[in-house]
Amino acid sequence: DTAVSQTPKYLVTQMGNDKSIKCEQNLGHDTMYWYKQDSKKFLKIMFSYNNKELIINETVPNRFSPKSPDKAHLNLHINSLELGDSAVYFCASSPGLVNEQFFGPGTRLTVL
Amino acid sequence: QKEVEQDPGPLSVPEGAIVSLNCTYSNSAFQYFMWYRQYSRKGPELLMYTYSSGNKEDGRFTAQVDKSSKYISLFIRDSQPSDSATYLCAMSAGGAQKLVFGQGTRLTINP
Repeated sequence: DTAVSQTPKYLVTQMGNDKSIKCEQNLGHDTMYWYKQDSKKFLKIMFSYNNKELIINETVPNRFSPKSPDKAHLNLHINSLELGDSAVYFCASSPGLVNEQFFGPGTRLTVL
Repeated sequence: QKEVEQDPGPLSVPEGAIVSLNCTYSNSAFQYFMWYRQYSRKGPELLMYTYSSGNKEDGRFTAQVDKSSKYISLFIRDSQPSDSATYLCAMSAGGAQKLVFGQGTRLTINP
């Protein structure tokens, strides 16, 4: 029933590891996003895909690589994790490029 | 200077009070304005969505946009303890332009 879902909900890992976060939406939306929310609650866009095409790619280290296998899924792979990558990562979706975005529950990443 | 400025608070008011939350912005191209509510350890939830200037009301919530002053507000009437959350403003120029968020205001409604 969940509109935008993410797995895992929590992720604890060591520095240098590679990890992936998965996102799925069942709203039939064309556009999906990845956001990073830091400890001060500041929410910042990382990537956006529209119909599987990358349309927003903010200044993000190339250790972060998004992948959209289809319109309903957007995954985020992170290589060589660093302490500064610790944050909550949110997936969101919207109907086309209209900006009413609907967020998932978040993935809390802790890098030790 | 950040594109969107929002006082992080915290803001604490008694139950039943009228709450006013505000954001200012610098990008005159912004024309879509949103307010999100985020409970602790949850994802942001869309509360209000407005286009251009004017007011929009939904139940106890009223959103106001003043593009001439680059200032938006969210008013909560008859505030309830369940309104305790962080409120984030967000805005965009539209199309493929990114949504820019304020830092969020942490609000507590005391019974």
